[in-house]
Amino acid sequence: GQQVMQIPQYQHVQEGEDFTTYCNSSTTLSNIQWYKQRPGGHPVFLIQLVKSGEVKKQKRLTFQFGEAKKNSSLHITATQTTDVGTYFCAGPTAGNKLTFGGGTRVLVKP
Amino acid sequence: DTAVSQTPKYLVTQMGNDKSIKCEQNLGHDTMYWYKQDSKKFLKIMFSYNNKELIINETVPNRFSPKSPDKAHLNLHINSLELGDSAVYFCASSQGLGGYTFGSGTRLTVV
Repeated sequence: GQQVMQIPQYQHVQEGEDFTTYCNSSTTLSNIQWYKQRPGGHPVFLIQLVKSGEVKKQKRLTFQFGEAKKNSSLHITATQTTDVGTYFCAGPTAGNKLTFGGGTRVLVKP
Repeated sequence: DTAVSQTPKYLVTQMGNDKSIKCEQNLGHDTMYWYKQDSKKFLKIMFSYNNKELIINETVPNRFSPKSPDKAHLNLHINSLELGDSAVYFCASSQGLGGYTFGSGTRLTVV
């Protein structure tokens, strides 16, 4: 079956630094979605990318969809303590079932 | 107004008991889901309903039975609870191929 993998599993970041988390699918995706889950909270939809090579920005967050539509990345600049949480990528499989990656847990050092 | 609401938020129960979790969405979405999140944060789909019709039924023990009385509600009943059922259960909804809106989750602890 389709697998969606994310690296790294954990990301310790100094406040103010940049970092990138990566998402890879074993199959081509029609779209990729990104979610953020704060500690103790629920996943919150951030963005959806549909086109090959698409890049979208939300303030300090930059999302990219690979040319082959099998990978994606999330880059955060000037990390803040409010960025703490787990970031999930997810891709749809047959029947519009959304398969989630294992997540990247982001910890920010002040 | 809460878009996707789940009750209860916390559920502590003994092994062997039967329990239900309720979910309601007021977004007018046509599809609703149940996801299970384990202690390692993995999110795994359990069921999906589209306009009251079951469309996804993953490999879940048949002790778990979803029920959708209408397209705004999706409940989850669990029989004969086991220790391994302890997890956070999230209800979610979506419209078409759009992003999912998740409820705040139900933390189930089986003792």
